[in-house]
Parts: sequence; C-alpha cells; structure tokens
Amino acid sequence: AQKITQTQPGMFVQEKEAVTLDCTYDTSDPSYGLFWYKQPSSGEMIFLIYQGSYDQQNATEGRYSLNFQKARKSANLVISASQLGDSAMYFCAILTTSGTYKYIFGTGTRLKVLA
Amino acid sequence: ETGVTQSPTHLIKTRGQQVTLRCSSQSGHNTVSWYQQALGQGPQFIFQYYREEENGRGNFPPRFSGLQFPNYSSELNVNALELDDSALYLCASSSPRVLETQYFGPGTRLLVL
Repeated sequence: AQKITQTQPGMFVQEKEAVTLDCTYDTSDPSYGLFWYKQPSSGEMIFLIYQGSYDQQNATEGRYSLNFQKARKSANLVISASQLGDSAMYFCAILTTSGTYKYIFGTGTRLKVLA
Repeated sequence: ETGVTQSPTHLIKTRGQQVTLRCSSQSGHNTVSWYQQALGQGPQFIFQYYREEENGRGNFPPRFSGLQFPNYSSELNVNALELDDSALYLCASSSPRVLETQYFGPGTRLLVL
C-alpha cells in the first residue's frame, strides 16, 4: 500500500530564509509521481511542484525545489527566500498508476513565516 | 484562479439524506478527481473519472458515487449521509497530456447534522 509521511506538524521560518519541509513515501509501484501542494487558510489547494520517479534531476519551480532521494524514499520541499505569503499548510502527495490511478496525501505541515 | 468551479460552496444536510456536489473542469481537461478533506487532515482520494469512466478509487464505501458528463463536468453523490461525512469536498481536473498537474476547485463545505 502507498503511504506518505510528513513528520513536521508545524514549522517556523524567518522571512527571507530558506526552509525544508520533510516528506517520505512508501510504494511498491516502480512508476509514480510526487507532488507538493500549498493550502492557504482560504482553503484552495495550489499545485507547487512535481517530481516523476524516473526523473534524474530534482524538480525546481521558481523559489520551490524538490530534493528527491529515491533510495531513501524522500521528497523534501525546499522553499528559498521565504515570504509572508508562504504561510500556509503544505501537503506532500504521491500518485501511483499501476492499474488504476490513486493519489495519497500526507497529513500536512503548517508553515508560519515570521517577519 | 484555476478555472475549476464547484457548486454549491456550502451545504447543510441532516443524517440519512442524500447530496449531490458539482464540478466543472478546466477547459481541455478530461480527467476529474474528487477528494474529501476533514478538518485538520490531508485530502483523501475518493475517485477519479476519465472520459466518463471511473479510473481509480480510494477507500470509500459504495454510497459515494460519481458521474462524469460528455463535457467533462462531474458530480459526486453521497447517499445515506453520516455525521463523519462533514468535510470539505475538493474537485481537481487534469489534462491527459499533463496528468501530474491537477488544478483544484475552491471546494464545497458540507456539514451533516
């Protein structure tokens, strides 16, 4: 069975500093995708970044980068130069495609950026 | 804005009733997924529809059912509502060429009394 683990229920970071949000996963499917989403207090889910299991390089999207360590089954999100607007819940998720599609989300990490 | 819309935004029902939630996908997207997000939890995958067929399902009982229409909009139906069904229901659409990128709607907040 697939599983996503986010061990940090809450994190604080100073504005303009970098922060790493942890995510580990478990799957026996050789082909999968890993995602990070941001959910502000307003409730909408915002796609941030994607990493495919066969991608050789770590994904980057602006200030977001995904530190993908396949052997360790980890997919940590790095946010550089934190901004006050980055304060939100962050969810890691995995998509497996063997047979039918199935998405599993983690329990989330609440990030608070301090001025 | 993602272009994914959901209706209604809020809904109050009583236990045992039935509810239908609606989702319009982003233009060009023929895949729709539904999620249930209880307060303080991560989203739980309910099912996914691709070209009007169920293409994947999470661990939800059969009283959670869905439909996708030829214009790729979708409905989530929940029968025999229980108190634990109170949650935010999110719909997400994706493109067949870029399956990894899902665009979420604003959600429908359901309260079951």
